[in-house]
Amino acid sequence: NAGVMQNPRHLVRRRGQEARLRCSPMKGHSHVYWYRQLPEEGLKFMVYLQKENIIDESGMPKERFSAEFPKEGPSILRIQQVVRGDSAAYFCASSPLKTALSGNTIYFGEGSWLTVV
Amino acid sequence: EDKVVQSPLSLVVHEGDTVTLNCSYEVTNFRSLLWYKQEKKAPTFLFMLTSSGIEKKSGRLSSILDKKELFSILNITATQTGDSAIYLCAVEENNNDMRFGAGTRLTVKP
Repeated sequence: NAGVMQNPRHLVRRRGQEARLRCSPMKGHSHVYWYRQLPEEGLKFMVYLQKENIIDESGMPKERFSAEFPKEGPSILRIQQVVRGDSAAYFCASSPLKTALSGNTIYFGEGSWLTVV
Repeated sequence: EDKVVQSPLSLVVHEGDTVTLNCSYEVTNFRSLLWYKQEKKAPTFLFMLTSSGIEKKSGRLSSILDKKELFSILNITATQTGDSAIYLCAVEENNNDMRFGAGTRLTVKP
């Protein structure tokens, strides 16, 4: 999983503030996935992006959450007006191609831990 | 609703024991099943399975898929304390979605 960089690693926000989580995929990877992991739960898919395109956002809450992957720069997961229930670990993963299309797997970052107080 | 169910949710064994972790799934357009090990923070890839009945093996770990019964198992033989981790099963669909199970938390005691 070396190479997928997430920052910040830990973020504390008060209720109502905005949280921005960044993900720089591995070099050469153009596909980014965001997952959320609540305590004692598995990874839940949120959104799948390619450069400048949202491919599948079916796992992302309709309100307050947004994601982008611009042509230049990292992918950003943005949570507006955070609430306590948003406290979780947010993992980013990247792949060079559609996963498994050619046997590739996705590579995970170390995660960003959001705490809402 | 598509789902991936892992069992047991947690397991405590002693070094040297053999463990079997289970993953059953119900998804619409199955493409592959993947196993990850999550220790410390980021999940790391273990196996990808696409065909039934073909065992994948890496050291003391092995895994097999049954596409008819819709499940996979992950075996770890001669467990060591370093095997302590959360083991995640994920199913990938043809639309590139990956759905994870809740994981099995394995603790290996000396």
